[in-house]
Amino acid sequence: NAGVTQTPKFRVLKTGQSMTLLCAQDMNHEYMYWYRQDPGMGLRLIHYSVGEGTTAKGEVPDGYNVSRLKKQNFLLGLESAAPSQTSVYFCASSDATNEKLFFGSGTQLSVL
Amino acid sequence: AQTVTQSQPEMSVQEAETVTLSCTYDTSENNYYLFWYKQPPSRQMILVIRQEAYKQQNATENRFSVNFQKAAKSFSLKISDSQLGDTAMYFCAALISNFGNEKLTFGTGTRLTIIP
Repeated sequence: NAGVTQTPKFRVLKTGQSMTLLCAQDMNHEYMYWYRQDPGMGLRLIHYSVGEGTTAKGEVPDGYNVSRLKKQNFLLGLESAAPSQTSVYFCASSDATNEKLFFGSGTQLSVL
Repeated sequence: AQTVTQSQPEMSVQEAETVTLSCTYDTSENNYYLFWYKQPPSRQMILVIRQEAYKQQNATENRFSVNFQKAAKSFSLKISDSQLGDTAMYFCAALISNFGNEKLTFGTGTRLTIIP
């Protein structure tokens, strides 16, 4: 009964380092999303995907890249981490854009 | 750009009482969907309730109900008989389609504390 799984759950980076966050869903959902959550700002959409092999920019895409090579996986990459990217990152998936989003448990990322 | 506004950063209420969380949104579209999500201290995002804009009847899920006022662009959440487990951040969200570009936009959240 996995649903949406994010790895890692916590990570500390130094400025300039790179890393990839992995999101995996086992519900055969077409749509996948990456959000970041910052205090007082709610959740903001970084990138999303409407199907395998497709990606699109969200509200705050700068500094991030994504890939959806397999339907069940959606990767979020930080090529050169900056302190402004310190945040909690959530992955979500859905069967259709107007349906319920299933969220992962989040990744706490700190960039020093 | 569409916006979702939650004007109450924090609220608290005694256990068993009723509490209403406010949400307003801005759109010129007619067809959209509205959601309330709950985020307890565990950080997990949980869907509380969903409302289609074309439906006049307010959505209800057990102790949770909404007051959807389309003309006023208002979508408040009412929690009846509040329980300690209702303590959480609550986010209002709107899914609005604009020229085929659909995006779920979240408000900034209301931190709700249920007092024993």
